[in-house]
Amino acid sequence: QKEVEQNSGPLSVPEGAIASLNCTYSDRGSQSFFWYRQYSGKSPELIMSIYSNGDKEDGRFTAQLNKASQYVSLLIRDSQPSDSATYLCAVSRTGGFKTIFGAGTRLFVKA
Amino acid sequence: DTEVTQTPKHLVMGMTNKKSLKCEQHMGHRAMYWYKQKAKKPPELMFVYSYEKLSINESVPSRFSPECPNSSLLNLHLHALQPEDSALYLCASSQVPDSGTDTQYFGPGTRLTVL
Repeated sequence: QKEVEQNSGPLSVPEGAIASLNCTYSDRGSQSFFWYRQYSGKSPELIMSIYSNGDKEDGRFTAQLNKASQYVSLLIRDSQPSDSATYLCAVSRTGGFKTIFGAGTRLFVKA
Repeated sequence: DTEVTQTPKHLVMGMTNKKSLKCEQHMGHRAMYWYKQKAKKPPELMFVYSYEKLSINESVPSRFSPECPNSSLLNLHLHALQPEDSALYLCASSQVPDSGTDTQYFGPGTRLTVL
């Protein structure tokens, strides 16, 4: 079992729709959870960090964390073609330097 | 300001060359990281420096040699690389994890090609 699992996609949604990206993790000691967006050939860009169970909203993005189910998700509302990228889920333990990345989900938003 | 800078943006080198990658941050972060990323793969941790001391070496071959001259700078010295070392090299920085937040911010990366 991989430490951080994501559906590789591609996930294709029409412009204006909600894109839902999912991630599961295996280490119950994980305390910090991150979503990064990475355009082809570019570096990862932080979208959201979340540390507590529940929802966290920032503009069109909502991160959801459920530690009991070891599940974290990212919702993108009103998806735009510019949201087309690979989304990396990343997880780390408190006090640890190692951030474990999932393989990423490729998202395509069709105009 | 959440900017991490890296130079050069692109580097082409032969297997006998010696070159260095540079990374700089001015966010007051005391942890700095080197990652390697191959196409369609996630970033792969290579080294971590905490308070200018090497904390983690993920069994990286000795042809990669990291250096942290001060709290703002991180170098990666390259020597006798192989073509399979061609990748995007990413630098990142963060607060040290026990400070309560460990969010890593990435630089733009150096695209390395080894001929």
